[in-house]
Amino acid sequence: QSALTQPASVSGSPGQSVTIACNGSFSDVGSYNFVSWYQLKPGKAPQLIIFEVSHRPSEVSVRFSASKAGNTASLTISGLQAEDEADYYCCSYSTGKKILFGEGTKVTVL
Amino acid sequence: VHLVESGGNVVQPGGSLRLSCEASGFTFSNYVMHWVRHSPGKGLELVASVSGDGASPSYVSSVVGRFTISRDNSKNTLYLQMDSLRREDTATYHCARQRVAFHFDFWGQGTPVTVSS
Repeated sequence: QSALTQPASVSGSPGQSVTIACNGSFSDVGSYNFVSWYQLKPGKAPQLIIFEVSHRPSEVSVRFSASKAGNTASLTISGLQAEDEADYYCCSYSTGKKILFGEGTKVTVL
Repeated sequence: VHLVESGGNVVQPGGSLRLSCEASGFTFSNYVMHWVRHSPGKGLELVASVSGDGASPSYVSSVVGRFTISRDNSKNTLYLQMDSLRREDTATYHCARQRVAFHFDFWGQGTPVTVSS
């Protein structure tokens, strides 16, 4: 099964907002509210930043928000900071008891 | 909650490795557990999954017949037996805990596997 589609990279200046789209299909993002997002930094364990489309774990900054419309989920980072530079992956439950990851997006803080 | 992987190494194509993931801080047997690999060129990939009682393993198609996931709930440990390794299996392997809503709330730092002659 194909991975979810994400842009390879996005960038922004400190203080700006960036949005990452995660394009799926009716079999995954479009049918289930089981979309999650992960932040990956070199040498560190991946961190869950969003679950069930738009819920944020208590330890995650309020600058991270997310939503879903149709077959596309989106992650927005507001007030971009240097520490937000990382790779971000979306993830969705899919028909047939599968879990799919996105291709990953590198966020660069200019 | 802590997840600590071990067992990664450099191995020749066709070789074998056994990865371990020691869990602590939660009731291990209550959770579905996964092995997820990450490589710079291929991103994240869910490799293998196992139910809390170990009875229902599942695998990504590329590792079927070569990898075996298992768990020992008495030792709070998850395993991945990797046989007939291929260059394309080169990655950092993470164990991850799944919640009911199909997300992974805790991950280990990972153990690196390099398949090279």
